[in-house]
Amino acid sequence: GEDVEQSLFLSVREGDSSVINCTYTDSSSTYLYWYKQEPGAGLQLLTYIFSNMDMKQDQRLTVLLNKKDKHLSLRIADTQTGDSAIYFCAESWSGATNKLIFGTGTLLAVQP
Amino acid sequence: ETGVTQSPTHLIKTRGQQVTLRCSSQSGHNTVSWYQQALGQGPQFIFQYYREEENGRGNFPPRFSGLQFPNYSSELNVNALELDDSALYLCASSLPTSGTYEQYFGPGTRLTVT
Repeated sequence: GEDVEQSLFLSVREGDSSVINCTYTDSSSTYLYWYKQEPGAGLQLLTYIFSNMDMKQDQRLTVLLNKKDKHLSLRIADTQTGDSAIYFCAESWSGATNKLIFGTGTLLAVQP
Repeated sequence: ETGVTQSPTHLIKTRGQQVTLRCSSQSGHNTVSWYQQALGQGPQFIFQYYREEENGRGNFPPRFSGLQFPNYSSELNVNALELDDSALYLCASSLPTSGTYEQYFGPGTRLTVT
C-alpha cells in the first residue's frame, strides 16, 4: 500500500536541533524527499536522499535513512524562527509514473 | 531560470460549475504533475503529463481532466464541482532524465467551492 506517516507537531526553542521523523511503506522507492511549506505557500524542496545512502548532509540539514525499518528523519541544526513551517516527507513511487506520495506533514513551531 | 508559476492564485466557484487552473513549468522541464492538498493534509497525486500525454493518474474521478501543451505548460480542468473539491491545487514540474526525479512546485491555486 501507499502510506507515509509523520508525527503531527514538534515544538523546539530557537538554537536547538529539530528532528522530524517519517515512516514509509514502499521499499522500492528510489528517492525520498523533504519539502517545506510555509503558510499559504507552495512546497519548497529542501533535500532528498537516494535509497542506497544512509545519510546526507546539506548545510544545517541532515537526512538519515534506515531502509530496513523504512524510517527517514530530517535534522535541522541551530533551528531558527524562520524554520517554522510544515515539513513533508515524500517517497517516489516505484511504478511507471514518477509520482510522489506525501506524508501528512509535521508542523514545526520554533519558540524564540 | 523561471520557476513554476500557477494561475489564478485564488478562485471561488459554486457547486456544479467548471474550473480551469493553469500551470507553467520550470524552464526545460517536460513533465508536469498535479496534486490536490486539502486543508491539514499532505498533497495527493491527481495525474501527470509527459510530452503532452497523460502518464499516470491517481484516485480521482474522470471529472478531473488535464492537458499539456507543446511548450509543456498544463491545465487542470474540474467539471461538476463539489464542495469537497475545495483545496489548494499544486502543480509540479520535473525532468525525468535528470535521474533524481525532483519535482519543483508552484505556489498553488486556492479553490473554494460554495
